[in-house]
Amino acid sequence: GAGVSQSPRYKVAKRGQDVALRCDPISGHVSLFWYQQALGQGPEFLTYFQNEAQLDKSGLPSDRFFAERPEGSVSTLKIQRTQQEDSAVYLCASSTSHGNEQYFGPGTRLTVT
Amino acid sequence: QKEVEQNSGPLSVPEGAIASLNCTYSDRGSQSFFWYRQYSGKSPELIMSIYSNGDKEDGRFTAQLNKASQYVSLLIRDSQPSDSATYLCAVNNQFYFGTGTSLTVIP
Repeated sequence: GAGVSQSPRYKVAKRGQDVALRCDPISGHVSLFWYQQALGQGPEFLTYFQNEAQLDKSGLPSDRFFAERPEGSVSTLKIQRTQQEDSAVYLCASSTSHGNEQYFGPGTRLTVT
Repeated sequence: QKEVEQNSGPLSVPEGAIASLNCTYSDRGSQSFFWYRQYSGKSPELIMSIYSNGDKEDGRFTAQLNKASQYVSLLIRDSQPSDSATYLCAVNNQFYFGTGTSLTVIP
């Protein structure tokens, strides 16, 4: 079946703009994760959903970052008033449950100018 | 101390050799361990998971877990140029990733 999809694949935003990044997980996967990956670094955990419940948001770097998954499927990561330090690849992953293998989407490369 | 530590490399091995990648972790309660491969400009791709002490083999790949010493390793036998990538170790309590080890297999 289809894998994890993310859109847009690339986003250029001017500093101060709001952006919304979308993730469509693998059908039936109840767990969904968001990560931020800077160049040359491993993915850094941002937040985790079990169905529609956001069970962990400890990795969100500031209150400008907000994630939701209202129907337990598609998720959106929103970044308000973007800053240059927000430039990174944002990865979404899904799994059948927490602790199991995660499958990653292609990522969204965000560039803040 | 980071939750998961990896030698960033780069690690270079000749084609056909064994590549050995190592990872240590800090949380003794960790239960799930994963190795991902990430090609430049691509997203991580799962190659191995391991949950219990000992070795787990899958084709040319062998994952080794030692919970007492808190390390997990990945061996790649008969390394191929197509194995050249960054290898990420992940530990699943809060799903921490290492920074990755860059591997280059020289033809």
